[in-house]
Amino acid sequence: GAGVSQSPSNKVTEKGKDVELRCDPISGHTALYWYRQSLGQGLEFLIYFQGNSAPDKSGLPSDRFSAERTGGSVSTLTIQRTQQEDSAVYLCASSLDSRWAYEQYFGPGTRLTVT
Amino acid sequence: AQTVTQSQPEMSVQEAETVTLSCTYDTSENNYYLFWYKQPPSRQMILVIRQEAYKQQNATENRFSVNFQKAAKSFSLKISDSQLGDTAMYFCAFMKHGYNNAGNMLTFGGGTRLMVKP
Repeated sequence: GAGVSQSPSNKVTEKGKDVELRCDPISGHTALYWYRQSLGQGLEFLIYFQGNSAPDKSGLPSDRFSAERTGGSVSTLTIQRTQQEDSAVYLCASSLDSRWAYEQYFGPGTRLTVT
Repeated sequence: AQTVTQSQPEMSVQEAETVTLSCTYDTSENNYYLFWYKQPPSRQMILVIRQEAYKQQNATENRFSVNFQKAAKSFSLKISDSQLGDTAMYFCAFMKHGYNNAGNMLTFGGGTRLMVKP
């Protein structure tokens, strides 16, 4: 497809389990961003990748959160030992590169529910 | 650090009328971007309009226009001729203007839920 895709669309998991969320950016986009949208914290930045550079992890809320980006394309956000406060919509966005950060295209998000 | 504040959690407007959503922000940066995003129930964030801080002219996109007051750090969105399809959450957002790999993330306000009534 032409847009940013994310999978799964919805994920329900038990507290303490690990989850992986996937983001496929727009083809050719080298910059990729993860955001979290939760009732308590609103919309917040998590992590940013630009090509093969070291990611900006300044928004990750705890060391239970990690993300990787393989081959400069697909990204996976991993949450270990999930907690109920991790319940949120996780949004991914991409842009052509960091100079085009002002044109971020968003995916439909993954709704994570931790029971 | 930047902060973005939307003081109207919910608003409603009659179809075909005009509505204005408020946004204020705080930053020490001089060069930055401001955005309004729309998020319908599908969750997809859609860019409505973008303003570069160094441009004095207010941005417009069809029925959508902004009132950018840099000194007051205010950035309101006006929707003219409101349509049922405008019903959504609207987020105001800020981003520093940078050419390096840092500071390219969006900082969002808390959102305003807009309901357009028939």
